[in-house]
Amino acid sequence: ILNVEQSPQSLHVQEGDSTNFTCSFPSSNFYALHWYRWETAKSPEALFVMTLNGDEKKKGRISATLNTKEGYSYLYIKGSQPEDSATYLCAPNRDDKIIFGKGTRLHILP
Amino acid sequence: DAGITQSPRHKVTETGTPVTLRCHQTENHRYMYWYRQDPGHGLRLIHYSYGVKDTDKGEVSDGYSVSRSKTEDFLLTLESATSSQTSVYFCAISDRGQGFVGELFFGEGSRLTVL
Repeated sequence: ILNVEQSPQSLHVQEGDSTNFTCSFPSSNFYALHWYRWETAKSPEALFVMTLNGDEKKKGRISATLNTKEGYSYLYIKGSQPEDSATYLCAPNRDDKIIFGKGTRLHILP
Repeated sequence: DAGITQSPRHKVTETGTPVTLRCHQTENHRYMYWYRQDPGHGLRLIHYSYGVKDTDKGEVSDGYSVSRSKTEDFLLTLESATSSQTSVYFCAISDRGQGFVGELFFGEGSRLTVL
């Protein structure tokens, strides 16, 4: 079973500040790396699916980078807004399995 | 939004009774997954399917079985429910990208309480 680590577990950020967090995963037999955003009382929603080493993806103020050789990905949020408060999950895809990390819980302070 | 529905959405049952949760999709996606959500554990994979009659175990498959007799339905069965199986269960579907599983689309979740 994949060992997926996300850090930090929880993060408090002032509104307007930028932030980032990390996902690390085994680099062997890598297929893809997924990022999801999960708001309380809702279902997770996909942000990015990344496959190539060095890949960078962006959606609005959120972006992500991928290093498949060393097994990590960073998620960046620029100019945090209250609506960014959520849990951010990463999940590597290997052998058709999608195994999630425990997530980073982001709290935006007004 | 992807056409995925879970039923029942809420269920309360007693220890030792069988329970079946249903995931139904209208997207004709190849992959279907069952996860459970528990505090401190995030989402943990129970079982998944990569085609009709093709299923495999996930991280926490003990006490659960699945079946997929047609593309649109993926059933999760607890043969004899225990209190440790009290959880919120999420179904997710996906199709295949170029050599990888594409983004997951999640159902709304099924809250199961085992007394």
